[in-house]
Amino acid sequence: QKEVEQDPGPLSVPEGAIVSLNCTYSNSAFQYFMWYRQYSRKGPELLMYTYSSGNKEDGRFTAQVDKSSKYISLFIRDSQPSDSATYLCAIGPLFNTGKLIFGQGTTLQVKP
Amino acid sequence: GAVVSQHPSRVICKSGTSVKIECRSLDFQATTMFWYRQFPKQSLMLMATSNEGSKATYEQGVEKDKFLINHASLTLSTLTVTSAHPEDSSFYICSARARRATPNTEAFFGQGTRLTVV
Repeated sequence: QKEVEQDPGPLSVPEGAIVSLNCTYSNSAFQYFMWYRQYSRKGPELLMYTYSSGNKEDGRFTAQVDKSSKYISLFIRDSQPSDSATYLCAIGPLFNTGKLIFGQGTTLQVKP
Repeated sequence: GAVVSQHPSRVICKSGTSVKIECRSLDFQATTMFWYRQFPKQSLMLMATSNEGSKATYEQGVEKDKFLINHASLTLSTLTVTSAHPEDSSFYICSARARRATPNTEAFFGQGTRLTVV
């Protein structure tokens, strides 16, 4: 079993739709959860991070963590064509050494 | 956010030759740098962790003699792929974590290097 599972998609939605991206993880020692966005042939850029269960909002993005289910989600409201990218979830230990375990990434396409 | 510069962005080399990739933190001191490899449609896989002034720690299955990592200063780490073969063709990405990092300090990623071995 992979430590982090993420549906690779691709996921195609119309502009303005709400997008839900999800990951599951297996090791409860992971306490640090991150979402990265990666455009084609570029390095990942951090979107959001959180430690605790519950929701964290930043503009159109909401990160949700359910530690009891080992399930993390990223919601994108009012999706835009510029949101088209690959989204990677990443997890790490609480005292983050920067050593992260990444999901496979979900490719999202938002159509105008 | 902080800037991490990776060079070159793209390189093509002949089988059997060596290739050096540089990772620089431009506006902060990075005590720790990480090297990842990403195959098409797959996730980033950590290859090694490099701390300034000490030997790199390699992940299981990564050949340390093939992937030489040097982290001689707080702003520069290099990855040398020695005797490259076509199966080494991949996207190599570094990330750098700042000095005096706290638990919520992110690691910043370079833009990646596309290596093609022919």
